[in-house]
Amino acid sequence: DGGITQSPKYLFRKEGQNVTLSCEQNLNHDAMYWYRQDPGQGLRLIYYSQIVNDFQKGDIAEGYSVSREKKESFPLTVTSAQKNPTAFYLCASLDPANNQPQHFGDGTRLSIL
Amino acid sequence: GDSVTQMEGPVTLSEEAFLTINCTYTATGYPSLFWYVQYPGEGLQLLLKATKADDKGSNKGFEATYRKETTSFHLEKGSVQVSDSAVYFCALSQGGGFKTIFGAGTRLFVKA
Repeated sequence: DGGITQSPKYLFRKEGQNVTLSCEQNLNHDAMYWYRQDPGQGLRLIYYSQIVNDFQKGDIAEGYSVSREKKESFPLTVTSAQKNPTAFYLCASLDPANNQPQHFGDGTRLSIL
Repeated sequence: GDSVTQMEGPVTLSEEAFLTINCTYTATGYPSLFWYVQYPGEGLQLLLKATKADDKGSNKGFEATYRKETTSFHLEKGSVQVSDSAVYFCALSQGGGFKTIFGAGTRLFVKA
């Protein structure tokens, strides 16, 4: 079955450490997205990519970085510059033709040790 | 810009009660509208969608009708179950679909 795989499901970070969250999709979608979700809150867009080797900042990009070297993969790095990284991170992908819905992975929960 | 407004939660209902979660939108064009559901600790799953005015999306007993005259897409279910407890997100997309605008989410608790 096609879908989006996020790993790991749980991740712990020490102060001052960069961590990378993985997102892989086999849906052949051009567009991919990273969202942050805080407890009891909605989704906030971190970065998105419409095509390989291209990406744009979302609403809360500071302290995060991404790459899009392959269509299937869109890893997110949470850098030490992100002062409050504890959150639930969701990756999504989209076939933008005809306003189709985004497909989501199961998320990665990041916590600070 | 485009926006989506949902009723604030939490919504607490008894099993078999009728559910309505209100959603209104602001958009310049003709967006597609979606309802997503998020169970605890999981990602969002598409629940239903509607792509043009007067379309009714339905799935698992949930329904929503795209009302252009009132810019609304309210979610309804005739008889909720405990297993429907989750967070529900209303969303829209348009203009080639690269950007999806999500509402803040409404948490539903269903008591046995």
